[in-house]
Amino acid sequence: KAGVTQTPRYLIKTRGQQVTLSCSPISGHRSVSWYQQTPGQGLQFLFEYFSETQRNKGNFPGRFSGRQFSNSRSEMNVSTLELGDSALYLCASSGTSGGYNEQFFGPGTRLTVL
Amino acid sequence: AQSVTQLGSHVSVSEGALVLLRCNYSSSVPPYLFWYVQYPNQGLQLLLKYTSAATLVKGINGFEAEFKKSETSFHLTKPSAHMSDAAEYFCAVTRPNDYKLSFGAGTTVTVRA
Repeated sequence: KAGVTQTPRYLIKTRGQQVTLSCSPISGHRSVSWYQQTPGQGLQFLFEYFSETQRNKGNFPGRFSGRQFSNSRSEMNVSTLELGDSALYLCASSGTSGGYNEQFFGPGTRLTVL
Repeated sequence: AQSVTQLGSHVSVSEGALVLLRCNYSSSVPPYLFWYVQYPNQGLQLLLKYTSAATLVKGINGFEAEFKKSETSFHLTKPSAHMSDAAEYFCAVTRPNDYKLSFGAGTTVTVRA
């Protein structure tokens, strides 16, 4: 089974621009979660989607948004980029609808904002 | 709300020595607890998980952890460190139907030859 894939792997943007990151979950997984990883704040939860519905959202400004498509692929968008948005963005997929099942992480997208 | 605290941001061990990484959790309900490992420029890989079954959990690569409710701890151990264990380790907590993980700050492990 192919793992979680994230594209692009690296991205450089300038302040004020917007960016879209993509995540393809493991085949058959319907839950996709996004996390931001920075040296200062560590790993922080952004949001989680299941069957195209957002079930949980972290404490991030509205500039951060996401969506999930009918094939379970997910995208996250950051508008009006700030220097502090530079981070590794990790996507994880999971197979069940409730309770808890293992989250499988992708390699991440490294975003640098100049 | 759930949270975890990892004691020690850096741990240095000799090859062949015991690895002990400490994690304490806070949760208003019985938690699910996890240890993940991250190698440079990679995502997170699950080492092991506690989901209310056996309190001593065995994971991959010789790691194990023990859930101690009275101490609200979930410490990770490996009897004999290997050079390949050098990485960053994260403890995480969630609760049933919460759909998110709350991570500790991480512990970087270096292994001395």
